[in-house]
Amino acid sequence: DGGITQSPKYLFRKEGQNVTLSCEQNLNHDAMYWYRQDPGQGLRLIYYSQIVNDFQKGDIAEGYSVSREKKESFPLTVTSAQKNPTAFYLCASSTSGAPGDTQYFGPGTRLTVL
Amino acid sequence: AQKITQTQPGMFVQEKEAVTLDCTYDTSDQSYGLFWYKQPSSGEMIFLIYQGSYDEQNATEGRYSLNFQKARKSANLVISASQLGDSAMYFCAMRESLQGAQKLVFGQGTRLTINP
Repeated sequence: DGGITQSPKYLFRKEGQNVTLSCEQNLNHDAMYWYRQDPGQGLRLIYYSQIVNDFQKGDIAEGYSVSREKKESFPLTVTSAQKNPTAFYLCASSTSGAPGDTQYFGPGTRLTVL
Repeated sequence: AQKITQTQPGMFVQEKEAVTLDCTYDTSDQSYGLFWYKQPSSGEMIFLIYQGSYDEQNATEGRYSLNFQKARKSANLVISASQLGDSAMYFCAMRESLQGAQKLVFGQGTRLTINP
């Protein structure tokens, strides 16, 4: 069964802590993306990666970091520098990032800062 | 910068009726793509339909069709014969190319409620 998995589904963080959100795909996709969704809003791009060991900042990268050591995995770390991290985080992947490629999304992680 | 506008925060429709969700976009690119996604209460974004700017025919996928009017910069989603399971948030998105990858710019979404 091909798809994108994200874990955990719910995550609670104390202020000042770093947390890492997991994203794994077995679709053999080259490109992977992280988006943030706030209540009642659309998605905003945090980071994206077209290829292993390479990634680029999106529109709202401040306070976040990523790594892409394997094709299948693109974890997102929410650092203590992120001022308002409570949100819904969605990971996506696409074949190559070429025009017309569809991005497929994982089930999301809901992060709450206590 | 590209922008997507969805002017209907919420819509209520009777089951089995057709529904049109509005989407207008703003871009200076000649080549672009438009997507519609469905987000049920579980949160996952489900891809519904895609329209490329050079596609001559309106895209269709089962009960979903995209009413693409290039001159008016609109890409409305039409759902025929609505079902209770269609109740969800619907997002229109535009592809923006950046350094070879594609970034999706999303609208604010429309919450669709299907009444029995």
